[in-house]
Amino acid sequence: DAKTTQPTSMDCAEGRAANLPCNHSTISGNEYVYWYRQIHSQGPQYIIHGLKNNETNEMASLIITEDRKSSTLILPHATLRDTAVYYCIVRATNFGNEKLTFGTGTRLTIIP
Amino acid sequence: NAGVTQTPKFQVLKTGQSMTLQCAQDMNHEYMSWYRQDPGMGLRLIHYSVGAGITDQGEVPNGYNVSRSTTEDFPLRLLSAAPSQTSVYFCASSYSRVGTEAFFGQGTRLTVV
Repeated sequence: DAKTTQPTSMDCAEGRAANLPCNHSTISGNEYVYWYRQIHSQGPQYIIHGLKNNETNEMASLIITEDRKSSTLILPHATLRDTAVYYCIVRATNFGNEKLTFGTGTRLTIIP
Repeated sequence: NAGVTQTPKFQVLKTGQSMTLQCAQDMNHEYMSWYRQDPGMGLRLIHYSVGAGITDQGEVPNGYNVSRSTTEDFPLRLLSAAPSQTSVYFCASSYSRVGTEAFFGQGTRLTVV
């Protein structure tokens, strides 16, 4: 799996869009980008994943650059409950989620 | 539908004691995994299983044993607890299909004194 790089921490004002970047410059063409978050030492929670196209679900949007070397997770209207550590994970398409490699993630703090 | 259930939630052990952390899932997932998380760090994979009767080692397997006799259960055994095994342990499960998500339990906080 390709290595990912994320900022250690970020702040965002409540109600604004939170944009969390992830660099994965060594990503291969057959690797998905997954995002998980961990709220206050609870078990990680899946947010979204994508391969090439931008993706959106009820929680967030995922923007992947055309060269696929970086991506951005967007929480459109951040609330205090979005304060968490966010993990960007790259995983090959021919593998499942039985072996996820978590880095240290980005600690996102939503400011009232 | 309970998802992934871990027991106990908290445990204190003395050095040298053994114990089993339980993990059960009711989603008929083929894949199950155990991770540990130390303070300020991301999760690290201990052992994983791709189906009943099949297990393999992850990044930090020493001091731990697993078995998978049923699809639903994946217990993690500490053979002889050491203070270095003080950590929060998470169990996860997922389908074998690619592009699917992993579901995590709420964790077991273990302290070895």
